[in-house]
Amino acid sequence: DSGVTQTPKHLITATGQRVTLRCSPRSGDLSVYWYQQSLDQGLQFLIQYYNGEERAKGNILERFSAQQFPDLHSELNLSSLELGDSALYFCASSRQSSSYEQYFGPGTRLTVT
Amino acid sequence: AQSVTQLGSHVSVSEGALVLLRCNYSSSVPPYLFWYVQYPNQGLQLLLKYTSAATLVKGINGFEAEFKKSETSFHLTKPSAHMSDAAEYFCAVIADTGRRALTFGSGTRLQVQP
Repeated sequence: DSGVTQTPKHLITATGQRVTLRCSPRSGDLSVYWYQQSLDQGLQFLIQYYNGEERAKGNILERFSAQQFPDLHSELNLSSLELGDSALYFCASSRQSSSYEQYFGPGTRLTVT
Repeated sequence: AQSVTQLGSHVSVSEGALVLLRCNYSSSVPPYLFWYVQYPNQGLQLLLKYTSAATLVKGINGFEAEFKKSETSFHLTKPSAHMSDAAEYFCAVIADTGRRALTFGSGTRLQVQP
Protein backbone atom coordinates (compact mmCIF):
# COMPACT_ATOMS: atom_id res chain seq x y z
CA ASP A 1 0.00 0.00 0.00
CA SER A 2 1.61 3.23 -1.21
CA GLY A 3 -0.57 5.49 0.90
CA VAL A 4 -2.05 7.17 -2.18
CA THR A 5 -5.77 6.59 -2.57
CA GLN A 6 -7.90 6.98 -5.66
CA THR A 7 -11.64 6.82 -6.16
CA PRO A 8 -13.52 5.39 -7.85
CA LYS A 9 -11.74 2.19 -8.78
CA HIS A 10 -13.84 1.68 -11.88
CA LEU A 11 -15.97 4.08 -13.91
CA ILE A 12 -18.15 3.28 -16.90
CA THR A 13 -19.75 6.13 -18.77
CA ALA A 14 -21.00 7.12 -22.19
CA THR A 15 -19.44 9.31 -24.84
CA GLY A 16 -20.00 13.00 -24.34
CA GLN A 17 -20.27 12.70 -20.57
CA ARG A 18 -18.15 14.29 -17.85
CA VAL A 19 -16.45 12.49 -14.95
CA THR A 20 -14.34 13.42 -11.96
CA LEU A 21 -11.53 11.27 -10.61
CA ARG A 22 -10.28 11.85 -7.09
CA CYS A 23 -6.88 11.37 -5.52
CA SER A 24 -5.59 11.73 -1.97
CA PRO A 25 -1.79 11.90 -1.71
CA ARG A 26 0.38 10.32 0.96
CA SER A 27 0.43 12.17 4.22
CA GLY A 28 2.97 14.98 3.97
CA ASP A 29 3.29 14.93 0.18
CA LEU A 30 2.68 18.28 -1.46
CA SER A 31 2.98 17.26 -5.10
CA VAL A 32 0.35 15.37 -7.05
CA TYR A 33 0.85 14.03 -10.56
CA TRP A 34 -1.72 12.55 -12.93
CA TYR A 35 -0.80 9.93 -15.53
CA GLN A 36 -2.80 8.10 -18.17
CA GLN A 37 -2.07 4.51 -19.14
CA SER A 38 -3.53 3.22 -22.38
CA LEU A 39 -2.65 0.34 -24.69
CA ASP A 40 -1.70 2.56 -27.61
CA GLN A 41 -0.02 5.47 -25.77
CA GLY A 42 1.52 3.69 -22.80
CA LEU A 43 2.06 5.69 -19.61
CA GLN A 44 1.87 9.44 -20.19
CA PHE A 45 2.19 12.35 -17.81
CA LEU A 46 -0.83 14.64 -17.81
CA ILE A 47 -0.39 17.33 -15.18
CA GLN A 48 1.30 18.17 -11.87
CA TYR A 49 0.17 20.24 -8.92
CA TYR A 50 2.26 21.42 -6.02
CA ASN A 51 0.62 22.76 -2.87
CA GLY A 52 -2.48 23.85 -4.75
CA GLU A 53 -0.81 25.37 -7.79
CA GLU A 54 -0.33 23.92 -11.25
CA ARG A 55 3.36 23.20 -11.70
CA ALA A 56 3.66 21.42 -15.05
CA LYS A 57 1.58 20.19 -17.94
CA GLY A 58 2.18 17.19 -20.12
CA ASN A 59 0.05 15.64 -22.83
CA ILE A 60 -3.22 16.77 -21.32
CA LEU A 61 -6.14 17.44 -23.63
CA GLU A 62 -8.04 20.72 -23.40
CA ARG A 63 -11.13 18.69 -22.45
CA PHE A 64 -9.30 17.59 -19.31
CA SER A 65 -8.61 19.75 -16.28
CA ALA A 66 -7.43 19.25 -12.73
CA GLN A 67 -7.12 21.03 -9.46
CA GLN A 68 -5.58 20.53 -6.05
CA PHE A 69 -7.50 21.62 -2.99
CA PRO A 70 -6.25 23.15 0.29
CA ASP A 71 -6.34 19.71 1.96
CA LEU A 72 -4.01 18.60 -0.90
CA HIS A 73 -6.38 16.12 -2.48
CA SER A 74 -6.69 16.47 -6.23
CA GLU A 75 -9.39 15.94 -8.80
CA LEU A 76 -9.04 15.24 -12.51
CA ASN A 77 -12.03 16.31 -14.58
CA LEU A 78 -12.59 14.71 -17.96
CA SER A 79 -15.31 16.16 -20.17
CA SER A 80 -16.86 15.50 -23.59
CA LEU A 81 -15.58 11.98 -23.24
CA GLU A 82 -14.60 9.99 -26.31
CA LEU A 83 -14.03 6.27 -26.76
CA GLY A 84 -10.31 6.94 -26.92
CA ASP A 85 -10.32 8.32 -23.38
CA SER A 86 -10.83 4.82 -22.04
CA ALA A 87 -7.72 4.14 -19.99
CA LEU A 88 -6.27 3.70 -16.53
CA TYR A 89 -5.70 7.00 -14.78
CA PHE A 90 -3.07 7.06 -12.07
CA CYS A 91 -2.34 9.61 -9.44
CA ALA A 92 1.10 9.80 -7.84
CA SER A 93 2.46 11.92 -5.06
CA SER A 94 5.86 13.02 -3.86
CA ARG A 95 7.55 15.28 -1.39
CA GLN A 96 9.31 18.17 -3.06
CA SER A 97 12.68 17.01 -1.84
CA SER A 98 15.87 15.83 -3.44
CA SER A 99 14.67 12.23 -3.65
CA TYR A 100 12.38 12.68 -6.68
CA GLU A 101 10.54 9.38 -6.28
CA GLN A 102 6.80 9.23 -6.82
CA TYR A 103 4.34 6.88 -5.18
CA PHE A 104 1.40 5.71 -7.21
CA GLY A 105 -2.19 5.04 -6.30
CA PRO A 106 -4.10 1.97 -7.49
CA GLY A 107 -5.63 3.84 -10.41
CA THR A 108 -9.10 4.48 -11.79
CA ARG A 109 -10.12 2.41 -14.79
CA LEU A 110 -12.31 4.52 -17.06
CA THR A 111 -14.39 2.84 -19.74
CA VAL A 112 -16.21 5.06 -22.22
CA THR A 113 -18.94 3.29 -24.18
CA ALA B 1 14.21 15.56 -24.53
CA GLN B 2 15.20 12.72 -22.30
CA SER B 3 13.60 9.35 -22.92
CA VAL B 4 14.03 5.69 -22.10
CA THR B 5 13.93 2.65 -24.35
CA GLN B 6 13.12 -0.78 -23.03
CA LEU B 7 14.38 -3.59 -25.23
CA GLY B 8 12.01 -6.53 -25.37
CA SER B 9 8.32 -6.12 -24.70
CA HIS B 10 8.16 -9.69 -23.38
CA VAL B 11 10.78 -11.67 -21.48
CA SER B 12 10.30 -15.25 -20.34
CA VAL B 13 12.58 -16.97 -17.82
CA SER B 14 12.44 -20.17 -15.83
CA GLU B 15 11.97 -20.06 -12.09
CA GLY B 16 15.40 -19.75 -10.49
CA ALA B 17 17.02 -18.27 -13.59
CA LEU B 18 18.61 -14.84 -13.91
CA VAL B 19 16.28 -11.98 -14.75
CA LEU B 20 17.67 -9.23 -17.02
CA LEU B 21 15.41 -6.42 -18.19
CA ARG B 22 17.05 -3.82 -20.39
CA CYS B 23 16.67 -0.05 -20.27
CA ASN B 24 18.63 2.57 -22.16
CA TYR B 25 18.21 6.28 -21.66
CA SER B 26 19.01 9.25 -23.82
CA SER B 27 20.51 12.09 -21.91
CA SER B 28 23.29 14.60 -22.05
CA VAL B 29 23.39 14.97 -18.29
CA PRO B 30 23.20 12.38 -15.49
CA PRO B 31 19.52 11.55 -15.21
CA TYR B 32 17.29 10.42 -12.41
CA LEU B 33 16.23 6.87 -13.29
CA PHE B 34 13.66 4.55 -11.81
CA TRP B 35 12.26 1.06 -12.18
CA TYR B 36 8.62 0.45 -11.35
CA VAL B 37 6.68 -2.82 -11.31
CA GLN B 38 3.01 -3.22 -12.11
CA TYR B 39 1.18 -6.37 -11.05
CA PRO B 40 -2.10 -7.20 -12.82
CA ASN B 41 -4.88 -4.77 -11.94
CA GLN B 42 -2.66 -2.80 -9.59
CA GLY B 43 -0.81 0.48 -9.54
CA LEU B 44 2.89 1.01 -10.03
CA GLN B 45 5.27 0.13 -7.24
CA LEU B 46 8.71 1.68 -6.99
CA LEU B 47 11.42 -1.00 -7.20
CA LEU B 48 14.49 1.20 -7.09
CA LYS B 49 15.92 4.56 -8.10
CA TYR B 50 19.19 6.03 -9.30
CA THR B 51 19.96 9.57 -8.22
CA SER B 52 23.74 9.64 -8.74
CA ALA B 53 24.69 8.48 -5.26
CA ALA B 54 25.92 5.03 -6.33
CA THR B 55 26.06 3.25 -9.67
CA LEU B 56 24.80 -0.08 -8.32
CA VAL B 57 21.39 0.36 -6.82
CA LYS B 58 19.63 -2.24 -4.72
CA GLY B 59 15.87 -2.31 -4.58
CA ILE B 60 13.07 -4.31 -3.11
CA ASN B 61 12.33 -7.99 -3.73
CA GLY B 62 15.97 -8.80 -4.55
CA PHE B 63 16.18 -6.59 -7.63
CA GLU B 64 19.11 -4.36 -8.45
CA ALA B 65 20.18 -2.13 -11.32
CA GLU B 66 23.49 -0.76 -12.48
CA PHE B 67 23.89 2.69 -13.95
CA LYS B 68 26.44 2.63 -16.80
CA LYS B 69 27.07 6.06 -18.18
CA SER B 70 29.31 4.80 -20.99
CA GLU B 71 26.49 2.60 -22.24
CA THR B 72 23.63 4.96 -21.22
CA SER B 73 22.02 1.92 -19.64
CA PHE B 74 20.17 1.11 -16.44
CA HIS B 75 19.38 -2.59 -16.72
CA LEU B 76 17.37 -4.36 -14.03
CA THR B 77 18.55 -7.72 -12.74
CA LYS B 78 17.62 -10.37 -10.22
CA PRO B 79 19.81 -13.44 -9.68
CA SER B 80 16.99 -15.93 -9.26
CA ALA B 81 13.47 -15.46 -10.61
CA HIS B 82 10.46 -16.34 -8.53
CA MET B 83 6.96 -17.02 -9.77
CA SER B 84 5.77 -13.94 -7.91
CA ASP B 85 8.04 -11.74 -10.08
CA ALA B 86 5.70 -12.16 -13.04
CA ALA B 87 4.53 -8.63 -13.81
CA GLU B 88 5.14 -5.68 -16.09
CA TYR B 89 8.24 -3.61 -15.45
CA PHE B 90 8.70 0.00 -16.43
CA CYS B 91 11.87 2.02 -16.66
CA ALA B 92 11.35 5.75 -16.16
CA VAL B 93 13.38 8.94 -16.21
CA ILE B 94 12.84 12.42 -14.91
CA ALA B 95 13.29 14.46 -18.05
CA ASP B 96 13.17 17.84 -16.37
CA THR B 97 14.28 18.24 -12.78
CA GLY B 98 12.24 21.42 -12.62
CA ARG B 99 8.91 19.78 -13.23
CA ARG B 100 9.88 16.23 -12.12
CA ALA B 101 7.34 14.41 -14.28
CA LEU B 102 8.27 10.82 -15.12
CA THR B 103 8.80 9.74 -18.71
CA PHE B 104 8.19 6.00 -18.99
CA GLY B 105 9.47 3.34 -21.29
CA SER B 106 7.02 1.08 -23.07
CA GLY B 107 7.32 -1.65 -20.46
CA THR B 108 8.54 -5.24 -20.39
CA ARG B 109 6.24 -8.06 -19.40
CA LEU B 110 8.12 -10.70 -17.43
CA GLN B 111 6.83 -14.23 -17.53
CA VAL B 112 8.26 -16.82 -15.12
CA GLN B 113 7.92 -20.44 -16.12
CA PRO B 114 7.80 -23.18 -13.47
